[in-house]
Amino acid sequence: SQKIEQNSEALNIQEGKTATLTCNYTNYSPAYLQWYRQDPGRGPVFLLLIRENEKEKRKERLKVTFDTTLKQSLFHITASQPADSATYLCALDTGTASKLTFGTGTRLQVTL
Amino acid sequence: GAVVSQHPSWVICKSGTSVKIECRSLDFQATTMFWYRQFPKQSLMLMATSNEGSKATYEQGVEKDKFLINHASLTLSTLTVTSAHPEDSSFYICSASSASESLDEQYFGPGTRLTVT
Repeated sequence: SQKIEQNSEALNIQEGKTATLTCNYTNYSPAYLQWYRQDPGRGPVFLLLIRENEKEKRKERLKVTFDTTLKQSLFHITASQPADSATYLCALDTGTASKLTFGTGTRLQVTL
Repeated sequence: GAVVSQHPSWVICKSGTSVKIECRSLDFQATTMFWYRQFPKQSLMLMATSNEGSKATYEQGVEKDKFLINHASLTLSTLTVTSAHPEDSSFYICSASSASESLDEQYFGPGTRLTVT
């Protein structure tokens, strides 16, 4: 069966360090993968999209990698700040009309 | 740019009544709108996809007669929860994509918290 797995345990890191979040998937062949940020009681906010033919993409302090052989994406936040504390969701395209399937998300807590 | 709004942000209704939630794209024309439901500590589950002027496509297990979706214009889609029951209490989120932007990117609304008593 198709599955998208993100670490369900919260990730606690110190301010200034690099946070690395993992998204693994099985039985999918996505053309692209997206990362979103979600704050409590709010809708997701789009962060980055990476396509199957791209290995890495950067945006300011964010970096995403996409390994279609390992079926894994890594999401990095460098020089993390307390304001980065949120739940981060990965989402895969399903190949049908731009529909996305979301992982359960990983909660990141950045402390001083 | 690419702002999506939802109204109301929260609503409480009695069991058996119907509730309408609006989703608007404020600064772009939404070719496609999506409706999701999210239960506490769970991920977003896609309920249905709607294209302007045509009937919505519902995901497996979602009752189309209970969750009525109307996408009457390129900037507005509505979700009506009919004969609501306590188990319908959830966080409902819409998103929109645009052919003029990139169909691959979805812009999400802030969500609507529905509580059925």
